[in-house]
Amino acid sequence: DTGVSQNPRHKITKRGQNVTFRCDPISEHNRLYWYRQTLGQGPEFLTYFQNEAQLEKSRLLSDRFSAERPKGSFSTLEIQRTEQGDSAMYLCASSRGTGGRTGANVLTFGAGSRLTVL
Amino acid sequence: AQSVTQLDSHVSVSEGTPVLLRCNYSSSYSPSLFWYVQHPNKGLQLLLKYTSAATLVKGINGFEAEFKKSETSFHLTKPSAHMSDAAEYFCVVSEGGKLIFGQGTELSVKP
Repeated sequence: DTGVSQNPRHKITKRGQNVTFRCDPISEHNRLYWYRQTLGQGPEFLTYFQNEAQLEKSRLLSDRFSAERPKGSFSTLEIQRTEQGDSAMYLCASSRGTGGRTGANVLTFGAGSRLTVL
Repeated sequence: AQSVTQLDSHVSVSEGTPVLLRCNYSSSYSPSLFWYVQHPNKGLQLLLKYTSAATLVKGINGFEAEFKKSETSFHLTKPSAHMSDAAEYFCVVSEGGKLIFGQGTELSVKP
């Protein structure tokens, strides 16, 4: 297993275009997370899945953002009608979650997908 | 809601001197706390975690952190800094099924 894989690593797009990022988690991990990190800030939680169920979404995840994990394996994060404020590093992480919504998860992060909106 | 506050945005030390990165937490119950490190152009890596066992937690690369409930602190220390320790460090608290990150402390190590 090579860890958490994210593609593409870099994406440059024009304002108003749609973009999609893909995350392949560690195969035995049932939880998958999306975070956003802007320059000089800590990662901000966006959403997470346990298997194919989306258990929590942040207020940061506006209607233009949608995440899916259809078969409980890889996940996609789509941003529609991108804005310059969407420019950030989008981080994916996975973990072996315990049952329910609690648990001291140890997250393994991917290298991230950097989005630049012109 | 859980939160963490990293008291310094930037810390600079000389190689071979001690490192102290400060973190205070806010939690309504006994928290799970972590320190992660992010080297330039690299992914976030777990340094150590506290989950209500021993209050002094040892991590990788000689780092350790002490959980002090009376001070609501979880400071990260290392006896002797190495050039390779230069990176961004994040104090993190677990809330439900997710992690909440602090703003980060950039550690610079001078030769």
